[in-house]
Amino acid sequence: DAKTTQPPSMDCAEGRAANLPCNHSTISGNEYVYWYRQIHSQGPQYIIHGLKNNETNEMASLIITEDRKSSTLILPHATLRDTAVYYCIAESGGYQKVTFGIGTKLQVIP
Amino acid sequence: DAGVTQSPTHLIKTRGQQVTLRCSPKSGHDTVSWYQQALGQGPQFIFQYYEEEERQRGNFPDRFSGHQFPNYSSELNVNALLLGDSALYLCASSLWGLNTEAFFGQGTRLTVV
Repeated sequence: DAKTTQPPSMDCAEGRAANLPCNHSTISGNEYVYWYRQIHSQGPQYIIHGLKNNETNEMASLIITEDRKSSTLILPHATLRDTAVYYCIAESGGYQKVTFGIGTKLQVIP
Repeated sequence: DAGVTQSPTHLIKTRGQQVTLRCSPKSGHDTVSWYQQALGQGPQFIFQYYEEEERQRGNFPDRFSGHQFPNYSSELNVNALLLGDSALYLCASSLWGLNTEAFFGQGTRLTVV
């Protein structure tokens, strides 16, 4: 599985968009980009995933660059409940050997 | 749908003892993966079970073993516990062979004293 690089921490004002970057420059053609988040002491929660097209669901949007070497998770209107550690993962689909890094600790500020 | 359930939620063991953790996957899921999460770190992949066989394994010693039952539930066993085994143990379920998300349980907090 490709290694991903994320900033260790970010702050975002409540109500503003949170843009979380992820670098996955060694991603291979069959690897998807997955985003999960983990609120303190809970199990990780799936947010969104994609291969090469931008994706949107009720929680977030995922923007993947054309060369697939990086992506951005966008939380359109961050709330205090979005404070969590966000993990970006690049993995071969279907087998779920998910390799987590340290992730980005997002702090939403009132 | 109860989602992924893990038991127990917390337990305390003594160094050298053995422990068994249990996981029931989300209804309809056939694949179970186990992770260890030390304080302040991301989850580390231990192993994955599908069709009652270990399919993939992370960089963990043989003291860590598992089992999957015909109903897809799974157990994680750790022998000869070390202080460093203290962590949150997470179970995730998914569908084998599909590019879909994994669902995680709330974890078992193991403390080795």
